[in-house]
Amino acid sequence: DAKTTQPNSMESNEEEPVHLPCNHSTISGTDYIHWYRQLPSQGPEYVIHGLTSNVNNRMASLAIAEDRKSSTLILHRATLRDAAVYYCILTRDDKIIFGKGTRLHILP
Amino acid sequence: EPEVTQTPSHQVTQMGQEVILRCVPISNHLYFYWYRQILGQKVEFLVSFYNNEISEKSEIFDDQFSVERPDGSNFTLKIRSTKLEDSAMYFCASSDLVFTNSYEQYFGPGTRLTVT
Repeated sequence: DAKTTQPNSMESNEEEPVHLPCNHSTISGTDYIHWYRQLPSQGPEYVIHGLTSNVNNRMASLAIAEDRKSSTLILHRATLRDAAVYYCILTRDDKIIFGKGTRLHILP
Repeated sequence: EPEVTQTPSHQVTQMGQEVILRCVPISNHLYFYWYRQILGQKVEFLVSFYNNEISEKSEIFDDQFSVERPDGSNFTLKIRSTKLEDSAMYFCASSDLVFTNSYEQYFGPGTRLTVT
């Protein structure tokens, strides 16, 4: 499975935008880029996914580099509820292989 | 909003006993999964299930584990003879009609299994 690299942890202030980076230099043409998050004591939760173009939904935006070797998850206005572990995952089939993710701390 | 449910939320069992963890996936979903997360570690894929058969399983999913869809709504994970190292949070997930690696999976809240 293609590997992703994320920072172990990040901090952001409440009500400010957050940019969570992910490197995936070995991505193949058929890999989708998915982001999930796991709030404390909860199951993982889908955030967003994309293939080549940037994507927006009600939760976040996903910016994908032109060469697809990196991507950035953007939370436009972080709230305390966004404190979680964020996973950047490349999917080639229907199983999800989770890495360690980025633990996002939100400062009030 | 439809959601995946799991029961029980916490199960305590003695080593060597059989346990069955239950899940009710989202009603129109056809792909089902089990994952586990040992305390403080990564979420690990166990098995995927489609059309009443296992489509893929990990190395963790050995002969002690089995899955079943006994009726039109439930999806179960059975561990035949539990070991201490089976203590973990077990998550069920389901996904939409045709998972072509671009469809999201919906996860349940998990069952915490404690083996003593």
